[in-house]
Amino acid sequence: DAGVIQSPRHEVTEMGQEVTLRCKPISGHDYLFWYRQTMMRGLELLIYFNNNVPIDDSGMPEDRFSAKMPNASFSTLKIQPSEPRDSAVYFCASSLGTGGWYTEAFFGQGTRLTVV
Amino acid sequence: LAKTTQPISMDSYEGQEVNITCSHNNIATNDYITWYQQFPSQGPRFIIQGYKTKVTNEVASLFIPADRKSSTLSLPRVSLSDTAVYYCLVAPEYSSASKIIFGSGTRLSIRP
Repeated sequence: DAGVIQSPRHEVTEMGQEVTLRCKPISGHDYLFWYRQTMMRGLELLIYFNNNVPIDDSGMPEDRFSAKMPNASFSTLKIQPSEPRDSAVYFCASSLGTGGWYTEAFFGQGTRLTVV
Repeated sequence: LAKTTQPISMDSYEGQEVNITCSHNNIATNDYITWYQQFPSQGPRFIIQGYKTKVTNEVASLFIPADRKSSTLSLPRVSLSDTAVYYCLVAPEYSSASKIIFGSGTRLSIRP
């Protein structure tokens, strides 16, 4: 398996534009996580899914953020409208459900988002 | 949830053994200790997990004393490629992922 695949790797957009980040989890993993990392706040969990169902989105900063998982092999994180303070690296991760919360979560390479 | 405290940074040299200690004074009975490694421009990577005593895998060892109020990640004979940020996480095995907090981590720098 190629691991967790995220696209794009880099995204530069203007304030107010819609941004869509994509993630393909590892096949067979039933948990999917979206994280955001900044220098100021570190690594924050935004939302996670179990078997394609959102379980906890309490980390989503505002209504401008939304995430979907239409099937087991694809998820999106959308920001509309984007703002400069959304600039960060966004990581997607997946894990097997065995062993509890996530015994071992596999992270993608991340998408570096810059909103100007 | 148990709060963790790690050194902000550490320096070492190639070939040395590096020990990174994490304090978690209010760890609960059903909490597990997990360590992740993050290289620049990459996502974190699971290193090791344990509950008590000692756990060893091909990458590292994790030492947990009897009172479990701290844990030590041991990296044997480090190389330049071990330069990374190391995170210590403490949470119940079946905790909601939203309760899992990645702190500031320890920035480890390895020199030739």
